[in-house]
Amino acid sequence: KAGVTQTPRYLIKTRGQQVTLSCSPISGHRSVSWYQQTPGQGLQFLFEYFSETQRNKGNFPGRFSGRQFSNSRSEMNVSTLELGDSALYLCASRPSPPLSYEQYFGPGTRLTVT
Amino acid sequence: DQQVKQNSPSLSVQEGRISILNCDYTNSMFDYFLWYKKYPAEGPTFLISISSIKDKNEDGRFTVFLNKSAKHLSLHIVPSQPGDSAVYFCAASEEGTYKYIFGTGTRLKVLA
Repeated sequence: KAGVTQTPRYLIKTRGQQVTLSCSPISGHRSVSWYQQTPGQGLQFLFEYFSETQRNKGNFPGRFSGRQFSNSRSEMNVSTLELGDSALYLCASRPSPPLSYEQYFGPGTRLTVT
Repeated sequence: DQQVKQNSPSLSVQEGRISILNCDYTNSMFDYFLWYKKYPAEGPTFLISISSIKDKNEDGRFTVFLNKSAKHLSLHIVPSQPGDSAVYFCAASEEGTYKYIFGTGTRLKVLA
């Protein structure tokens, strides 16, 4: 099975712009979660989607949003970019029960905001 | 408020010896724990998990121990190999939420 894929892998944007990141989960996985990783902060949970519905949300401002399509692919959008949004954005998918607690991550999208 | 803590930012171990990575948590509602390994420029790789109904889970060279009363878990790697050199993250979730809280990671270096 192909793993979780994320596009693009690298992105440079200017402060104030918006950005959309894409994630394709492992085939058959219906849950997709997004995380932000910054130096010294570990992985911070952004949100989780299941069957096109947002089920969980982390403590991020409304500038961070996402959606999931009927084929389970997911996009994450960040509007009005700030310098502090520079980070590695990771997407993870989960299988259906009984192994549903095990998440599998993609390689990430490295976003640099200048 | 850091609910999952990995207090050792780095650890060095000789090849062939045991590596022990520690993780502490504060939320007594956490009921599932996972360990991930991460190489630079790659996403985290799932290693091993444990449910709160168990106190030990083994998978090859990797064993995770859970002490619920102390709110502490540890990952043992035996024997350690140079390829194990990476950053290790522990993560925890509350029952049914599938919202994972990660620690800040421990960088393991296995010396040949």
